[in-house]
Amino acid sequence: SAVISQKPSRDICQRGTSLTIQCQVDSQVTMMFWYRQQPGQSLTLIATANQGSEATYESGFVIDKFPISRPNLTFSTLTVSNMSPEDSSIYLCSVWDRETQYFGPGTRLLVL
Amino acid sequence: SQKIEQNSEALNIQEGKTATLTCNYTNYSPAYLQWYRQDPGRGPVFLLLIRENEKEKRKERLKVTFDTTLKQSLFHITASQPADSATYLCALDRSNTGKLIFGQGTTLQVKP
Repeated sequence: SAVISQKPSRDICQRGTSLTIQCQVDSQVTMMFWYRQQPGQSLTLIATANQGSEATYESGFVIDKFPISRPNLTFSTLTVSNMSPEDSSIYLCSVWDRETQYFGPGTRLLVL
Repeated sequence: SQKIEQNSEALNIQEGKTATLTCNYTNYSPAYLQWYRQDPGRGPVFLLLIRENEKEKRKERLKVTFDTTLKQSLFHITASQPADSATYLCALDRSNTGKLIFGQGTTLQVKP
């Protein structure tokens, strides 16, 4: 199994600022993803973090708003840029390993 | 468009009874379907995966069925306990790549 940690666990940010969320996995994995869970909603896939190349974004999500880095097979960052209150969500990192999806504990973001 | 529906109403049952949760999907032919448990403030935890050519899968007190004709999965918890109280999410993998589409989840409350 894969153990995933995220930093920060929560944050309160001002409108117009940016926040970078870190995701660390305890083993090397090929497939790493970022999801968002808005209040009272289910999870929505933001993008696939590709090691050594640009992330692949899902419909409705763009690189300028959610830049992603994946420098190696155990680490990724997601930046939420130019934040607005609508970005208040839980952001979750996940990895896909042998037909099992593992999720991090999430980063709870509140934008004022 | 692809759609996954779970009963949005909370399910309240008595301890010891069997809980049955439903997941219906449309416009989709998944290779497999997964069930997750999510506790408040935490990331989802993988429970079971069932493939399209499998009718039923069991793990301890959990049982999942998958009917690709009805486009439906049922998730059963037998001999339910208060500790089983949580939100249960159904998810489909679009292309066997780990990119999941989630239902909105059903909250289960098991009363002692």
